[in-house]
Amino acid sequence: GQQLNQSPQSMFIQEGEDVSMNCTSSSIFNTWLWYKQDPGEGPVLLIALYKAGELTSNGRLTAQFGITRKDSFLNISASIPSDVGIYFCAGLVLGAGSYQLTFGKGTKLSVIP
Amino acid sequence: NAGVMQNPRHLVRRRGQEARLRCSPMKGHSHVYWYRQLPEEGLKFMVYLQKENIIDESGMPKERFSAEFPKEGPSILRIQQVVRGDSAAYFCASSPARGSGANVLTFGAGSRLTVL
Repeated sequence: GQQLNQSPQSMFIQEGEDVSMNCTSSSIFNTWLWYKQDPGEGPVLLIALYKAGELTSNGRLTAQFGITRKDSFLNISASIPSDVGIYFCAGLVLGAGSYQLTFGKGTKLSVIP
Repeated sequence: NAGVMQNPRHLVRRRGQEARLRCSPMKGHSHVYWYRQLPEEGLKFMVYLQKENIIDESGMPKERFSAEFPKEGPSILRIQQVVRGDSAAYFCASSPARGSGANVLTFGAGSRLTVL
């Protein structure tokens, strides 16, 4: 089955710093998604990417859908304490009889005030 | 708040008991998806249901696990004769229609099952 390799596994950064994380796969995905999960909660969608090469921003967040459709990155600029959480990439392959997201293992972000 | 409602939020069971997890989709959503998250892992797809129909159960373990989404009431994920390896967070998501775009897949807060 498809697998997503997400890196880094964890990050400790100073408040105000920029953050970058990425996801790679050996398979092609038609859609890339980035979610954030707070402790004890479900994942919340941050950004959705639908076209190869697409660059999309949501406030301080920017994500790109790789040209090869096998990778994506997420950048967070000027981090703040509430950015703490686990960030997941997820890919979607649309096919007959299938509608299921494949998730990476997550990047745990800690922000030091 | 008419989000995806899951209950119980936490459930403790002894080995061999049954676990029932419930999910009420967002208002207006007719499609439900169950995902499982093991500790330190990402979410893994289990099953996709519409009212009274299982559409895709390719991620469900072959034994002890079942899911339903009746005409009335919440979707239920049922785990019979639980084992320690079933300890995980189980997330439900809902969407208004299949193929309407993954950006409308809304997740609940999850049910955390602990098997003693």
